[in-house]
Amino acid sequence: QSLLTQPPSASETPGQRVTISCSGSSSNIGRNYVFWYQQLPGTAPKLLIYRNTQRPSGVPDRFSGSKSGTSASLAISGLRSEDEADYYCAAWDDSLSGAVFGGGTKLTVL
Amino acid sequence: QVRLQESGPGLVKPSQTLSLTCTVSGGSINSGYYFWTWIRQPAGKGLEWIGRIYISGSTNYNPSLKSRVIISIDTSRNQFSLKLNSVTAADTAVYYCAKGTDYARIDPWGQGILVTVSS
Repeated sequence: QSLLTQPPSASETPGQRVTISCSGSSSNIGRNYVFWYQQLPGTAPKLLIYRNTQRPSGVPDRFSGSKSGTSASLAISGLRSEDEADYYCAAWDDSLSGAVFGGGTKLTVL
Repeated sequence: QVRLQESGPGLVKPSQTLSLTCTVSGGSINSGYYFWTWIRQPAGKGLEWIGRIYISGSTNYNPSLKSRVIISIDTSRNQFSLKLNSVTAADTAVYYCAKGTDYARIDPWGQGILVTVSS
């Protein structure tokens, strides 16, 4: 069982907005930055959001991250079919001295 | 832009040692404050952080794997490696190598290599 909890699935129609949650604890999200990764089918994960809210160059501003206390969220607005992927949150855990991932959320664009 | 490529056997027998190498190109493994990282993903499942190494040789490992894992680095070859001993079918997964920076920032990733544990 993952230390970071994500809903296993989410779905929305094209053009709409979807939010994916990530719940952790004081030893990980509560103290450290949150990162989000997008994994398109059959490919390696790609960094989507770093340090809670920052987007690497090339990531559209339709993707946004937020954090509050021991939880974080990824929001995707103006959904497109190509956004259909698995999304993972991650954070450093001070108790484990290692990185932890959420279980992943499979996003379906209806 | 740094690129990473995993290599090694795709099939390992139970109880043996899984050995993988990651070759870094497009930049020196010595440059910058980076942690060279291994992650794995069983088929249809989520990501599991295995561990990381700094150029000094300092390592961090996932506590659940720590007793079986060794990550090493060869700066002369611009490579780092993973050894996982006493493998079982539960270790069957796609193994990714990647560059890590602050904490859980992992970017970029290699394409991944499927390792199957089976007799």
